[in-house]
Amino acid sequence: KNEVEQSPQNLTAQEGEFITINCSYSVGISALHWLQQHPGGGIVSLFMLSSGKKKHGRLIATINIQEKHSSLHITASHPRDSAVYICAVRSATSGSRLTFGEGTQLTVNP
Amino acid sequence: DARVTQTPRHKVTEMGQEVTMRCQPILGHNTVFWYRQTMMQGLELLAYFRNRAPLDDSGMPKDRFSAEMPDATLATLKIQPSEPRDSAVYFCASGLVLLASGSYNEQFFGPGTRLTVL
Repeated sequence: KNEVEQSPQNLTAQEGEFITINCSYSVGISALHWLQQHPGGGIVSLFMLSSGKKKHGRLIATINIQEKHSSLHITASHPRDSAVYICAVRSATSGSRLTFGEGTQLTVNP
Repeated sequence: DARVTQTPRHKVTEMGQEVTMRCQPILGHNTVFWYRQTMMQGLELLAYFRNRAPLDDSGMPKDRFSAEMPDATLATLKIQPSEPRDSAVYFCASGLVLLASGSYNEQFFGPGTRLTVL
């Protein structure tokens, strides 16, 4: 079993839909990251969080430390949101090392 | 605007050749990471440095890979000799850890070096 598991692996949505991507992890963590990888390959850090909820524009990330679970939500999705979304955790004992989930491929159709 | 730069962006080489990838972290960042991404394994950490000192290189095959930070503005990842299974995209990322407080900011990724070993 991977330390970090994401679901779904693939997600297709229509423009305007509300999207949720889930991440579960099995170790104690000090932080969780959500990353976005564009079709061209570039990686952008969307959020780093250790508790509660963060919001940037149409993106919302939540984390429940007790349940070892995080969600990334996209409101009013748009085709430009099409990308791979990767969850990564920094364990409480690993210093700055990140362990990555396998990613969720999101396609938003117009 | 500040960003992590990597060179070269693409590299095609033959098996057995030496490959050197370079990374310039964001000025002021004290932590540098090297990651490898393949279709089979996804993203995996190879090594990381804090204040130019290697903190963890357990993800790196020691017999052929080496990572260094000759100075605060340059990190290098070298493969010698290269093998076809090394074909991947290699990402460098940098971040800032405030050692006194232990607080840590996000990692900023470079554009990657796409390596193909024939």
